Amino acid sequence: KAGVTQTPRYLIKTRGQQVTLSCSPISGHRSVSWYQQTPGQGLQFLFEYFSETQRNKGNFPGRFSGRQFSNSRSEMNVSTLELGDSALYLCASSAGQPWGSTDTQYFGPGTRLTVL
Amino acid sequence: DAKTTQPPSMDCAEGRAANLPCNHSTISGNEYVYWYRQIHSQGPQYIIHGLKNNETNEMASLIITEDRKSSTLILPHATLRDTAVYYCIVRVARNSGYALNFGKGTSLLVTP
Repeated sequence: KAGVTQTPRYLIKTRGQQVTLSCSPISGHRSVSWYQQTPGQGLQFLFEYFSETQRNKGNFPGRFSGRQFSNSRSEMNVSTLELGDSALYLCASSAGQPWGSTDTQYFGPGTRLTVL
Repeated sequence: DAKTTQPPSMDCAEGRAANLPCNHSTISGNEYVYWYRQIHSQGPQYIIHGLKNNETNEMASLIITEDRKSSTLILPHATLRDTAVYYCIVRVARNSGYALNFGKGTSLLVTP
C-alpha cells in the first residue's frame, strides 16, 4: 500500500504570496491532519479533516486554511506569507481518529516551505 | 493543559535498553500520552500511546507513573536504526475536539 504523499516536496516563495500544499492520504484513510514543524516552535498542530469536514483546529491565524476533497485528498493554503511561515509542513492520515485509542496515524515526508 | 518536557538529548549503546523520560506534571485524568519518533528527513512515526496503564507493543514499552505526571518510553534493545528524535505528546480533550501539547523532543543517539 502506498504511503502518504505530499507535493511539492520543496517550495520557495516570497513574502506576501500565497501557497497551496497538497496531501494524498493512504488509500482508505478518511482523516487527514496537517502540522507545522520549525526549529524554534517544534511540532504544532494545524487542523484535521475527516470526510471533507474540518473536525479540529489548532491555534493558527486565519491565513492558514485547508480543505478535503471527496477522495480524501487534502490541501492547505497559506495566504499573505510571512518569513515566519518558513517550515516543514507535514501531513498525516489515519482511518479514523488520529489521536484516539485505536487508529494509527501515518505521516508523509513533508513539504519544505521557504519564505524569502 | 499538560505541558510536556523532555531532555534534549540522550546516548545509548547498541543492544542496551534506551529509557526516554517525559514529564507531564499537569496532566489530567482523560489525557493520553503518545510517543512518536522522527528519523532525519522523514515524517514522524507512531510508536506507542497510553492513558493510565503500562503498554507494550513490538516496538517499545510505555511506563506511566501511578500519578501520571511522567512517563518513560523504553526501547528494550536499541539498534543503530533507532537513532532519531523522540517526541512525547499529550492529547488534551476539549469540548469541541482536542488540543495537542508536543514536547520539544529528545534526540537519541545509539552508538556501536
